[in-house]
Amino acid sequence: QSVLTQPPSASGTPGQTVTISCSGSSSNIGSNTVNWYQQLPGTAPKLLIYSNNPRPSGVPDRFSGSKSGTSASLAISGLQSEDEADYYCAAWDDSLRGWVFGGGTKLTVL
Amino acid sequence: EVQLVESGGGLVQPGRSLRLSCAASGFTFDDYAMHWVRQAPGKGLEWVSGISWKSGIIGYADSVKGRFTISRDNAKKSLYLQMNSLKAEDMALYYCAKGGYSYGHDAFDIWGQGTMVTVSS
Repeated sequence: QSVLTQPPSASGTPGQTVTISCSGSSSNIGSNTVNWYQQLPGTAPKLLIYSNNPRPSGVPDRFSGSKSGTSASLAISGLQSEDEADYYCAAWDDSLRGWVFGGGTKLTVL
Repeated sequence: EVQLVESGGGLVQPGRSLRLSCAASGFTFDDYAMHWVRQAPGKGLEWVSGISWKSGIIGYADSVKGRFTISRDNAKKSLYLQMNSLKAEDMALYYCAKGGYSYGHDAFDIWGQGTMVTVSS
């Protein structure tokens, strides 16, 4: 059971906008920033969004993040087939004194 | 090129030990926190351990506390994970990941390709 809760799956058709949620608590998302990682099949995770919203250089602006209270979300607009991957949210947890991840959301592009 | 290369994985019997290494290149290693993150087959990501730039702050997941020890050698630009009393549930792909200046705030912006640890008799 992951500390951060994500839906196990999400799907959309090319061009659509898909949103993936991440729910936590006051000790993690509620008091710290959220990062999102993309893991393409058979590859290492890659940083997609950091500190709730900024994107590292090279990440398309189709990807955006937001946070409100103890929840965060990742939005992918103009969905493309190459976006098919697993997506993970993560945050520092003040109570556990460690980093916590969501269970991951498998995105399927129909 | 910024790169992290893990090594040291393999097949080990339950109760035995293994030491993982991570060689860094392309960035000023001793400026940043470093972490180990693992992924069991078909499962999600789990943070295992982290260490600040000068080893002043070290943390572990509850699942490995008391059994695993993280360390770094800034002169060699290397990160290590000593894993003792290995259990079947420790079987996973272990990733080395670069943190930021802040141990408990900055995202993991560079990841290695991972080294597989298989625990089986």
